[in-house]
Amino acid sequence: EDQVTQSPEALRLQEGESSSLNCSYTVSGLRGLFWYRQDPGKGPEFLFTLYSAGEEKEKERLKATLTKKESFLHITAPKPEDSATYLCAVQSGSSNTGKLIFGQGTTLQVKP
Amino acid sequence: GAVVSQHPSRVICKSGTSVKIECRSLDFQATTMFWYRQFPKKSLMLMATSNEGSKATYEQGVEKDKFLINHASLTLSTLTVTSAHPEDSSFYICSAPRQGHSYEQYFGPGTRLTVT
Repeated sequence: EDQVTQSPEALRLQEGESSSLNCSYTVSGLRGLFWYRQDPGKGPEFLFTLYSAGEEKEKERLKATLTKKESFLHITAPKPEDSATYLCAVQSGSSNTGKLIFGQGTTLQVKP
Repeated sequence: GAVVSQHPSRVICKSGTSVKIECRSLDFQATTMFWYRQFPKKSLMLMATSNEGSKATYEQGVEKDKFLINHASLTLSTLTVTSAHPEDSSFYICSAPRQGHSYEQYFGPGTRLTVT
């Protein structure tokens, strides 16, 4: 069964304190792994797509990496505006609909 | 960039009434759209896959007769919550993959449904 597990569930950082969020997955043929940011009361905002082990993508203070079993979202020198819930999702190659399987998310709070 | 809209953003209705939520892809066509439900401080739960020109595919445990989905065109899908009850109160979000963009899915802003 395809499954996604994110850790930690919640993370509190001081402004400027770098850290990483983890997304472990088991899927029958990974088509893509996706990272989203979700602010309270809003829909998820697309951040990155990763397709194969070893791939990395960056956007401002965020960097996403991928191995065969997990993905990390590294946050360098975070700012209070980075506070949000970060969601990881996978898309299975066996799915002909393209549906996503989501993890439970990591809620990040960055204190000034 | 790709944009998906939802309407309404918030709706309050009385028990027993029906509510329709619209999901539109604004600058691309979507033969498939997805409907999710999200409980407070929880992740997204896929309810159904909306297919343009054919019946929706529902996830296990989702009542087809309660959550009616119609994919009326290549840019519009609707979710109708029929005979709503307080337990249907939730945050409903749709998404659409943009073809030719490597399966990336773009989400709408969500609709907060409150049933009194």
